[in-house]
Amino acid sequence: KAGVTQTPRYLIKTRGQQVTLSCSPISGHRSVSWYQQTPGQGLQFLFEYFSETQRNKGNFPGRFSGRQFSNSRSEMNVSTLELGDSALYLCASSPGDSGVNEKLFFGSGTQLSVL
Amino acid sequence: KNEVEQSPQNLTAQEGEFITINCSYSVGISALHWLQQHPGGGIVSLFMLSSGKKKHGRLIATINIQEKHSSLHITASHPRDSAVYICAVPYGGSQGNLIFGKGTKLSVKP
Repeated sequence: KAGVTQTPRYLIKTRGQQVTLSCSPISGHRSVSWYQQTPGQGLQFLFEYFSETQRNKGNFPGRFSGRQFSNSRSEMNVSTLELGDSALYLCASSPGDSGVNEKLFFGSGTQLSVL
Repeated sequence: KNEVEQSPQNLTAQEGEFITINCSYSVGISALHWLQQHPGGGIVSLFMLSSGKKKHGRLIATINIQEKHSSLHITASHPRDSAVYICAVPYGGSQGNLIFGKGTKLSVKP
């Protein structure tokens, strides 16, 4: 089975631009979650999708948004980029139907640099 | 006060040593994750546990729900164990909504 795939691996943008990141979960997994990792704040939860519905959202501004498609692939979008948005963005997938007692499978991440 | 605290922040060991990393949490949970992150960013889930103890190869994870404390042990450490180890607890009733510890950077010297 293929693992969780994130594209692109690296991305360079300038302030004010917008960016879209993609995450393809493991086949059969219906839950996809997104995380931001920075040296200062560590890992922080962005949002979680299950069967095309946002199930939870972290404490991030409205510039951060996401969606999930019927094939469970997910995208996240950041509009009006700021320097502080430079981070590693990770997604993780899981089957989604066993509550909190599910192992998560992570992608390799997208390293976003905002200049 | 952080809701999930790990100790130590940094750990250097000699190959073969027994290693313990601790995680304490203040939020109510029903499960806890131990994650491993190598340079380059990729994260691997080592354990997801809700009670007792789990073992996989040289790695052992324990959790005490009453004391809100978990430990990750590495027996006979090896340089390839060098990585950042992160504990995380679910919050808000779903598996993806996690609160993370700051991580423990482990370096194992040959």
